[in-house]
Amino acid sequence: SQQGEEDPQALSIQEGENATMNCSYKTSINNLQWYRQNSGRGLVHLILIRSNEREKHSGRLRVTLDTSKKSSSLLITASRAADTASYFCATAALSNFGNEKLTFGTGTRLTIIP
Amino acid sequence: NAGVTQTPKFQVLKTGQSMTLQCAQDMNHNSMYWYRQDPGMGLRLIYYSASEGTTDKGEVPNGYNVSRLNKREFSLRLESAAPSQTSVYFCASSEYYGRTEEETQYFGPGTRLLVL
Repeated sequence: SQQGEEDPQALSIQEGENATMNCSYKTSINNLQWYRQNSGRGLVHLILIRSNEREKHSGRLRVTLDTSKKSSSLLITASRAADTASYFCATAALSNFGNEKLTFGTGTRLTIIP
Repeated sequence: NAGVTQTPKFQVLKTGQSMTLQCAQDMNHNSMYWYRQDPGMGLRLIYYSASEGTTDKGEVPNGYNVSRLNKREFSLRLESAAPSQTSVYFCASSEYYGRTEEETQYFGPGTRLLVL
């Protein structure tokens, strides 16, 4: 079963608007990461938020984490056509070998309308 | 740096055929991973290798085998392909930080596999 579930599954907005995507998860985590996937490509890491952090910014990205609700949100401000992609949250927990194992959600397909 | 490379980019197999997907990274990373991506399912971990010489099962290992050939290379083998293995396969790598583990994964471009 998927650790992370994104909501909504698909989102279409006008260029210049803000886009918000949500992620819920089930178990304790060390950190939560967001990745972007352009059509036909591999995933690219966007931002990581630790379990003891509540909010983090990177350029036009803002991520929040609420560990009590086991949820996170990704906000993309002033959206651009190039932001059209699928966005995945991934939760990190320790594996048997001591490094982190990521579990990915099902993704949100974001379409920016020019 | 090429990052993470995968071969082939696309492959068509008949049911029962075998094949090996190749993955290599030039970032001197310790950990490597194989995922499959299916519509509506997100990425699911097949196998991973925390360090050279070790491998471990992920969420969906049945029907697959892996080999960590050296620090750079991690291959995925389908011994007898089935239509259910039609998917896009991604290899990824990450640096192993030890106890402070906070690491991101770097992904290859993917291999599209169709099993008829």
